[in-house]
This record gives sequence, structure tokens and C-alpha cells, in this order.
Amino acid sequence: DTGVSQDPRHKITKRGQNVTFRCDPISEHNRLYWYRQTLGQGPEFLTYFQNEAQLEKSRLLSDRFSAERPKGSFSTLEIQRTEQGDSAMYLCASSLGAGGVYGYTFGSGTRLTVV
Amino acid sequence: RKEVEQDPGPFNVPEGATVAFNCTYSNSASQSFFWYRQDCRKEPKLLMSVYSSGNEDGRFTAQLNRASQYISLLIRDSKLSDSATYLCVVNKDQAGTALIFGKGTTLSVSS
Repeated sequence: DTGVSQDPRHKITKRGQNVTFRCDPISEHNRLYWYRQTLGQGPEFLTYFQNEAQLEKSRLLSDRFSAERPKGSFSTLEIQRTEQGDSAMYLCASSLGAGGVYGYTFGSGTRLTVV
Repeated sequence: RKEVEQDPGPFNVPEGATVAFNCTYSNSASQSFFWYRQDCRKEPKLLMSVYSSGNEDGRFTAQLNRASQYISLLIRDSKLSDSATYLCVVNKDQAGTALIFGKGTTLSVSS
């Protein structure tokens, strides 16, 4: 499978717990992006990496959120002390370069429910 | 003003109809433009890139007006399988900050 993989597909957690999501991009893609999507909204940008460097973070990415891409391959997104407002679909995407011609390829997402 | 704004929808059309979606973007420095399709509870998938001269892919035609900062998507001869949410997407600049997505316009095609 050469697509973008995300794990887990679904996560239910209690408020206040920490959660971590994983994304495996397309192997030859050097850019990796995290987005969040809530019902009725388009995906909202959180952060992106070029290789292992985190180049941009949205103001949506509060101190409770941290993302890493330690070896320039897979990435993790951790949310500490989850809140009900964190419930959303977390989407990972990858691209070769800026994605200016071919856009991004998205994974199937991780659906987080905070209870 | 939001970075990317789309028709609120939803659009409910019969099979065979022609439907057009409109989108405006706020950053005149934007360089890359796309339409994505998203099925219910699925990830967005690239439908087509939008080029300055306009481009067509089968029943789908995309237009870009840089002066007006306006993008459109025309779907001819709508099929039931076209039912989905269509997302207008803009890249801030070619050097590559992230893609910015509109809220999406939902299309429902009925028989």
C-alpha cells in the first residue's frame, strides 16, 4: 500500500487523558501535514514538516498539542490533557515538495472522541 | 474576511443537471488552486487542479480569475455518484505554506 496511513482510525478517550496519533506518509514525500476537521467545516491546518523540520504551526495548535517527525518519515501528533473541544477528525497528508501541482494525499484520518 | 469562502449550499439537483460552485480567496499572492472532493466521513481527495487558463476533466470544468480572486467548478450532466462535498483549496504561495481549505459545498444529486 503506497498511500498515507494513519493509526488508530478511531480513539475514544476521557477528558484529561493524553492521546497520540501516528501518520506514515507516502515514502517519497518529504512534506507532511496535520489538519483537524470538525463536522460541517473544511480541514483546518495545524502544522507541517519538511523532512524532520517543523516549518509552520497554526495558532490553532495550543501548548497541549505537539507534533514530531523525528527521522523525516512517520510523524506523531500528541494531545495532552484532552478537552471535549478536541473531538474531531485528525487528518494527515503528505506531498512531494510544496504540492503546488499535485496537491496533497490524505490519510483516512483518526477520529477522536473526548468524553 | 475568511481566507477561502465558498457558496454555503447545499445544492440539491436532479441527475443530468449542470451545477456550478463558486469560491473566493483573500490572498492575492496565492499561486496554486485545487478542488477536492470529500465523501461523507472520508478523507478529502484531489478532484482537479485549477490552472490560469481554465481546465476541463471530463464533465468537470474549473476556472480561475486572478483579478477577481475567484475560482469556479462546473459539473455537467450530474450523476448520483457526484453527491459529495466539494472543497475549494488555495495554497498561500508557491514556496509552500500549507493548503487552506474552504468550508465546502455539499452537492446532492437525486434520481
